[in-house]
Amino acid sequence: KAGVTQTPRYLIKTRGQQVTLSCSPISGHRSVSWYQQTPGQGLQFLFEYFSETQRNKGNFPGRFSGRQFSNSRSEMNVSTLELGDSALYLCASSLAGRVAEKLFFGSGTQLSVL
Amino acid sequence: GESVGLHLPTLSVQEGDNSIINCAYSNSASDYFIWYKQESGKGPQFIIDIRSNMDKRQGQRVTVLLNKTVKHLSLQIAATQPGDSAVYFCAETRGGKLIFGQGTELSVKP
Repeated sequence: KAGVTQTPRYLIKTRGQQVTLSCSPISGHRSVSWYQQTPGQGLQFLFEYFSETQRNKGNFPGRFSGRQFSNSRSEMNVSTLELGDSALYLCASSLAGRVAEKLFFGSGTQLSVL
Repeated sequence: GESVGLHLPTLSVQEGDNSIINCAYSNSASDYFIWYKQESGKGPQFIIDIRSNMDKRQGQRVTVLLNKTVKHLSLQIAATQPGDSAVYFCAETRGGKLIFGQGTELSVKP
């Protein structure tokens, strides 16, 4: 069974631009979560989607948004990029997104904002 | 942002020794905890989990201990190997989401 796939693997953007990251969950998994990882802040929860609906959201500005499609694939978008948005963005999937359920992570998209 | 605290940012052990990585959490209502391992260039990989109705759980070479009285979680790795070198994160469920600690970097000396 294929794992969580994230594309692209690396991305370089400049301030003010916007970016879209993609995530394909493990087959059969319906919940997708997004995390931002930086050396200073660690892993910070962005949001979680289940059945195309955002079910939970972290403490990030509205520039960060996401969506989920009917096949459970998810995208996240960051508009008006800032230098501080440089980070590893990780996507994780789980079967049903229940509270006590393991998350399976992809390898992430490394975003650099210049 | 929200995070679970860790006692030590780095840990260096000799190959073959046992490793203990500690984690403190703040929410006494948390009922599920997970340890993840992250190697360079990869996403976090599940190691072991434990529910709040348990004190101890064992896996292959790993044991997680949960002390709810002092809100403390630990991961024990037996006979540490070079392949165990990585950053280890504890995480707790809080408000319907998984909140991660800052991570401890484990370095295994040959």
